[in-house]
Amino acid sequence: DGGITQSPKYLFRKEGQNVTLSCEQNLNHDAMYWYRQDPGQGLRLIYYSQIVNDFQKGDIAEGYSVSREKKESFPLTVTSAQKNPTAFYLCASSPGTNTEAFFGQGTRLTVV
Amino acid sequence: GENVEQHPSTLSVQEGDSAVIKCTYSDSASNYFPWYKQELGKGPQLIIDIRSNVGEKKDQRIAVTLNKTAKHFSLHITETQPEDSAVYFCAASIRGGADGLTFGKGTHLIIQP
Repeated sequence: DGGITQSPKYLFRKEGQNVTLSCEQNLNHDAMYWYRQDPGQGLRLIYYSQIVNDFQKGDIAEGYSVSREKKESFPLTVTSAQKNPTAFYLCASSPGTNTEAFFGQGTRLTVV
Repeated sequence: GENVEQHPSTLSVQEGDSAVIKCTYSDSASNYFPWYKQELGKGPQLIIDIRSNVGEKKDQRIAVTLNKTAKHFSLHITETQPEDSAVYFCAASIRGGADGLTFGKGTHLIIQP
């Protein structure tokens, strides 16, 4: 089945530790995105990548980093510099402009 | 940057009635307006989208209207059913979403039996 896979579904980390969230797609989409969702809030864009080996900051990039070494993969690292990392993280991909963005099932990160 | 306002935050309707969710956007250059449905603990799924050269689009019980002059767009769901209960998000983007989407804060739609 084609789609976007995020893993793990739930993640717990201690404060001060970096953590990497996985996002893999087999839809052959060029563009990939990371969003953060907080309770009662809409989704906010963290980073996006329109092509391999290139990515741009979104609205809330501080404390996060990404890489795009392969078309299928767009991992997100939540660093210790992120002041409030506990949230629901969503990865998406899209084949191009004016077309649907497909979302993964999300990773719920809890930092204690 | 773009700002999207969405109302209401919660909407409760009787099964079979219609539901309307409204959004406004700030950037007149926005040209792509999708609507997503999100069920608890899952990722959002596209239910309908509209582009700036179209004023209205329908797909069975769902319709979206766009008023570019007023910079607002609305989602209409007719003959609501229990499975319509979810959180709905509107979004807007310049460049057709290539640089990501700006989302509203969501509407929790509750269908009362």
